[in-house]
Amino acid sequence: AQTVTQSQPEMSVQEAETVTLSCTYDTSESDYYLFWYKQPPSRQMILVIRQEAYKQQNATENRFSVNFQKAAKSFSLKISDSQLGDAAMYFCAQEEGAQKLVFGQGTRLTINP
Amino acid sequence: KAGVTQTPRYLIKTRGQQVTLSCSPISGHRSVSWYQQTPGQGLQFLFEYFSETQRNKGNFPGRFSGRQFSNSRSEMNVSTLELGDSALYLCASSFGGVGETGELFFGEGSRLTVL
Repeated sequence: AQTVTQSQPEMSVQEAETVTLSCTYDTSESDYYLFWYKQPPSRQMILVIRQEAYKQQNATENRFSVNFQKAAKSFSLKISDSQLGDAAMYFCAQEEGAQKLVFGQGTRLTINP
Repeated sequence: KAGVTQTPRYLIKTRGQQVTLSCSPISGHRSVSWYQQTPGQGLQFLFEYFSETQRNKGNFPGRFSGRQFSNSRSEMNVSTLELGDSALYLCASSFGGVGETGELFFGEGSRLTVL
């Protein structure tokens, strides 16, 4: 079974600064998808960013970008210019079969004003 | 357009009872998947339905079951509730076509407490 590991249960960052959340995964597949989801205190999970493994270029979405290291099976999320609204639980996830995601344990991100 | 709707949002049951949770996907989405979220185990996949057929199933006992209707709405049922079933149950929908790996859209969840 595939596993996803987030080694940082909690992180904090000053508003307007940059923070990086770590994620490692384990798979024997050569082509797969990786995701970062955000779960604010209201609990509705939303997709932050998605990476296709066969694409070498790191995905970016505005202030959010990833550092995808396929050989190392690492998939970190960088949030630039952190905003108060970025405070949430962040989950790294890997696709394992159709519409099935394997999630990491999550990182709680706090933004300090 | 309306998002994923889950009902009820909160419910309290006692051990041994059964519960049914409902999920209405985003219009046009044919795939509905269910996840259990607990502080200890995190997010765990329960099952996924596409066009009324279960395509994928997680490692949960047979007390957990689900179904999907022709309008893509889905229900999940947990029978003979145990204290450990207390969790936030999340539903997610997507277009879910074969070979598609698209964004999952999540509902706000149903918070189940078993006493």
